[in-house]
Amino acid sequence: GQNIDQPTEMTATEGAIVQINCTYQTSGFNGLFWYQQHAGEAPTFLSYNVLDGLEEKGRFSSFLSRSKGYSYLLLKELQMKDSASYLCAVRDSGGYNKLIFGAGTRLAVHP
Amino acid sequence: KAGVTQTPRYLIKTRGQQVTLSCSPISGHRSVSWYQQTPGQGLQFLFEYFSETQRNKGNFPGRFSGRQFSNSRSEMNVSTLELGDSALYLCASSSGGGQGAKNIQYFGAGTRLSVL
Repeated sequence: GQNIDQPTEMTATEGAIVQINCTYQTSGFNGLFWYQQHAGEAPTFLSYNVLDGLEEKGRFSSFLSRSKGYSYLLLKELQMKDSASYLCAVRDSGGYNKLIFGAGTRLAVHP
Repeated sequence: KAGVTQTPRYLIKTRGQQVTLSCSPISGHRSVSWYQQTPGQGLQFLFEYFSETQRNKGNFPGRFSGRQFSNSRSEMNVSTLELGDSALYLCASSSGGGQGAKNIQYFGAGTRLSVL
């Protein structure tokens, strides 16, 4: 079956660092994506990993270990505007653009 | 460059009716995917269209269908609406390259459908 797990909620303080974990068990794998979704808005693309290792993009970094079925999104220097849901999604190997999403992690950043 | 445009933004229908949602992809993108988002199930893949052909399909009943036009615009149709079809329907477009391509999907703001 297809299963993607992420914590439901997290809280953090402005200026701090937070790590959002994602574990997956899918029948195929052709890349892992992280999206950010503010309430009532469209998901926006944050990062993409297809090979093991760390991808860094400004305040955001994403890590992938394919052998462990594990990824994390690291957010540094947290800002209030980072309060949002973070969605982990795996692209099915046979499905071109079929993304399988986790339930999302709702992050609340407090002053 | 304009983003993904979905119309309408909000819809209210009654059980048994049918509905058509529209999606205009980013210029130059040939792939359009549709997703259903609900609080209980999260984001679930409905289907993907590429060059006017359905390339992949999720696990939804046949009441959910779609099509793509030659200009890459796509429509999604839901017939015989049920209460459980109330959801945010999101469309995403990508360049639609082969399996090895990055193919980042960019999402529209969605159509919020309420079935009464």
